[in-house]
Amino acid sequence: QKEVEQDPGPLSVPEGAIVSLNCTYSNSAFQYFMWYRQYSRKGPELLMYTYSSGNKEDGRFTAQVDKSSKYISLFIRDSQPSDSATYLCAMSWDNYGQNFVFGPGTRLSVLP
Amino acid sequence: GAVVSQHPSRVICKSGTSVKIECRSLDFQATTMFWYRQFPKQSLMLMATSNEGSKATYEQGVEKDKFLINHASLTLSTLTVTSAHPEDSSFYICSARDPGQGVKGYTFGSGTRLTVV
Repeated sequence: QKEVEQDPGPLSVPEGAIVSLNCTYSNSAFQYFMWYRQYSRKGPELLMYTYSSGNKEDGRFTAQVDKSSKYISLFIRDSQPSDSATYLCAMSWDNYGQNFVFGPGTRLSVLP
Repeated sequence: GAVVSQHPSRVICKSGTSVKIECRSLDFQATTMFWYRQFPKQSLMLMATSNEGSKATYEQGVEKDKFLINHASLTLSTLTVTSAHPEDSSFYICSARDPGQGVKGYTFGSGTRLTVV
């Protein structure tokens, strides 16, 4: 079993749809959870950061962490074509990030 | 926000030659930098961690003599792919950590697409 699993997609949705992206993980030691967005041929950029369980909202983006189920989600409301990218979840044991683990990423296409 | 500059963005080289990729943190001092490799439609694979002024720590399966990493200053790390072969063709990405920002302090470069012909 891989440490972090994520559906690779591709996921295609119409513009304006609500998108749900998910990751599952096996190691209960993870405390910090991140979502990165990576456009084609570019480096990833940090979208959301969450510590422990709970929800966090930033504009059209909401990150959820359920540590009891070892499951994290990223919701995108009112999706736009500019949201088309690969979304990678990442997790770490500690705030120093010395043990950073990335999920494989989900490719999202938002169709106009 | 923090900016990490990576050059070149794209390079084509002949088999057997060496290629150097630079990673610079422009507005913060990065005590630690990371080098990743990414194959098409796959996730980032950590190759090595470099700390300023010391030898890099390589992940299992990464040839240290093939992928030379130098982190000579707090703002610059370089990755040299020596005697490159077509199987080394990939997308290489660096990341620099701002020590004052915790896990939020990781900023990625724009990546380098290496093609070995």
